[in-house]
Amino acid sequence: DIQMTQSPSSLSASVGDRVTITCRASQDISHYLAWFQQRPGKAPKPLIFKTSNLFSGVPSTFSGGGSGTEFTLTISGLQPEDSATYYCQQYDSYPLTFGGGTKVEIK
Amino acid sequence: EMQLSESGGGLVQPGGSLRLSCVAAGLNFNTYAMTWVRQAPGKGLEWVSSISGRNGAIFYADSVEGRFTVSRDNSKNTVYMQMNGLRVDDTAIYYCTVGSDSSVWGQGAQVTVSS
Repeated sequence: DIQMTQSPSSLSASVGDRVTITCRASQDISHYLAWFQQRPGKAPKPLIFKTSNLFSGVPSTFSGGGSGTEFTLTISGLQPEDSATYYCQQYDSYPLTFGGGTKVEIK
Repeated sequence: EMQLSESGGGLVQPGGSLRLSCVAAGLNFNTYAMTWVRQAPGKGLEWVSSISGRNGAIFYADSVEGRFTVSRDNSKNTVYMQMNGLRVDDTAIYYCTVGSDSSVWGQGAQVTVSS
């Protein structure tokens, strides 16, 4: 099974800051990496597919990058509504696997 | 707009059974794989199962293999998950999603396994 390791597990940043979350895969997953945002009590919201492609309606302040085994989610210009937990997920092979999540808080 | 709606959750005793349903709208259903993801209280996301659109290939997490059975009825735009032999650690919100990249999510169905 492919293990997905996210870091950090939590972070606190100010409005307007640039924030980067890293997701590492235990083996090469090409570009088959998705990111999700989950606010408390809500279903996860898809943000990015195939490493760097934004789903419709996702603000351009979100961006994704990487390939192979190391990937990033960057929020450029953190907003109060970005306070949430973020998950990566590989879909290169079954079993599909998620990272452990990164909780983003606003100072 | 693609939409998913789950139903069938509830409270069940250990060893019991439930069947979840997920109805899809706004997509050419039979061309998409469908995926089930769950989230235990206070925990992260866990992939449970996926079923392909056309050829019916099905994949299961080890934690549910042999106890859960996923099927789909393309004429009804619906995917099902029959859950047997439920355990306390199956307690979670179960989400239905579109594709292996989970591009669309339902609102979730609460499954509670408790005596």
